[in-house]
Amino acid sequence: DAGVIQSPRHEVTEMGQEVTLRCKPISGHDYLFWYRQTMMRGLELLIYFNNNVPIDDSGMPEDRFSAKMPNASFSTLKIQPSEPRDSAVYFCASSGGQGETGELFFGEGSRLTVL
Amino acid sequence: DQQVKQNSPSLSVQEGRISILNCDYTNSMFDYFLWYKKYPAEGPTFLISISSIKDKNEDGRFTVFLNKSAKHLSLHIVPSQPGDSAVYFCAASQGTYKYIFGTGTRLKVLA
Repeated sequence: DAGVIQSPRHEVTEMGQEVTLRCKPISGHDYLFWYRQTMMRGLELLIYFNNNVPIDDSGMPEDRFSAKMPNASFSTLKIQPSEPRDSAVYFCASSGGQGETGELFFGEGSRLTVL
Repeated sequence: DQQVKQNSPSLSVQEGRISILNCDYTNSMFDYFLWYKKYPAEGPTFLISISSIKDKNEDGRFTVFLNKSAKHLSLHIVPSQPGDSAVYFCAASQGTYKYIFGTGTRLKVLA
């Protein structure tokens, strides 16, 4: 069974450009999470969805960040315009499959570098 | 405001000895705790969990201890192996899937 799939794995862009990160959760999972990893703050929860509906976006740093989940198998995290301080590894995770005990399953991450 | 804290950024242990990774939390309402392991260029992978109704959970070489009065949990790895070298994150939640993660501890097991 495929795990959480993220793309792109690496993105290098210039300040001011739009960045779109993509995620395909594990089939059957009804929760999807976006996390950001930095040295200073570790793994920060940005937003999470339940059944495609955003439940808590209090971790989204500012209006430049937006996330959508148009269907159960796809989500995007968009940064517009991007800034150098957005450089980090962004992880998508899913959870909530029947019979599972509550842990999150993470993708391999998207490393973003904003120059 | 960090609700989950891992105050040791790094730890080095000799192969075969015990590794003890620590985690403190501030929210007494947290009722479920997880440990994750992360290798470079990979996503975090689940290691072990504990519910607040327990004070210990064991899985092979890994044991997690929970001290609710001190708001402290620890992960013990015995015996430590070079393949255990990774970054370890603790996480906590309050009745939901909204997990708050710590900043991580980098463990290095020396051969």
